[in-house]
Amino acid sequence: GQQLNQSPQSMFIQEGEDVSMNCTSSSIFNTWLWYKQDPGEGPVLLIALYKAGELTSNGRLTAQFGITRKDSFLNISASIPSDVGIYFCAGLRYSGNTPLVFGKGTRLSVIA
Amino acid sequence: GAVVSQHPSRVICKSGTSVKIECRSLDFQATTMFWYRQFPKQSLMLMATSNEGSKATYEQGVEKDKFLINHASLTLSTLTVTSAHPEDSSFYICSARDQEYQPQHFGDGTRLSIL
Repeated sequence: GQQLNQSPQSMFIQEGEDVSMNCTSSSIFNTWLWYKQDPGEGPVLLIALYKAGELTSNGRLTAQFGITRKDSFLNISASIPSDVGIYFCAGLRYSGNTPLVFGKGTRLSVIA
Repeated sequence: GAVVSQHPSRVICKSGTSVKIECRSLDFQATTMFWYRQFPKQSLMLMATSNEGSKATYEQGVEKDKFLINHASLTLSTLTVTSAHPEDSSFYICSARDQEYQPQHFGDGTRLSIL
């Protein structure tokens, strides 16, 4: 099925550094979501974006819904070891009872 | 809020056994539930979408007779892997949402290992 283009695929950063990842699509979405998945667990919703141009924060996390509705980014400021995991972007279209479309994930490693 | 409970978290069984996985929404009514399969270091692969009281809609390539899905109530969906074989070993994750345009909330997954 369709997937979003998520980059980077993986990142190795020093503790305290800021992180940025993004997702792009060739078609528009009505909602953009960012999830984090820890090893052996299910994804946990971090941020939900509902309007084009919307900028939303959740603690050290900030995400934006692109103005074209075809992209979104997630920033993590001052990374800490517990930020390690896989981050997935997901898009939702308001056309019938459709499931989320996922990116392939960004694997984040934080070096203390 | 929006808690999804998945059980069991881990199953190890012999080839040929049927395995049932439960997915419950604890604090909301899940009109739609989704079942995913995830291979190591890969994204989630949607297997099927189920609406309460209706037959599940399976994605292309997913055998509906192999992966039986039941969504008999607004808080419970089950996935039964029938006559499981080693190639069915994987991480299975369910998710649920209460309304059509709302985010999906995920269970903690079930690690299935078929010997």
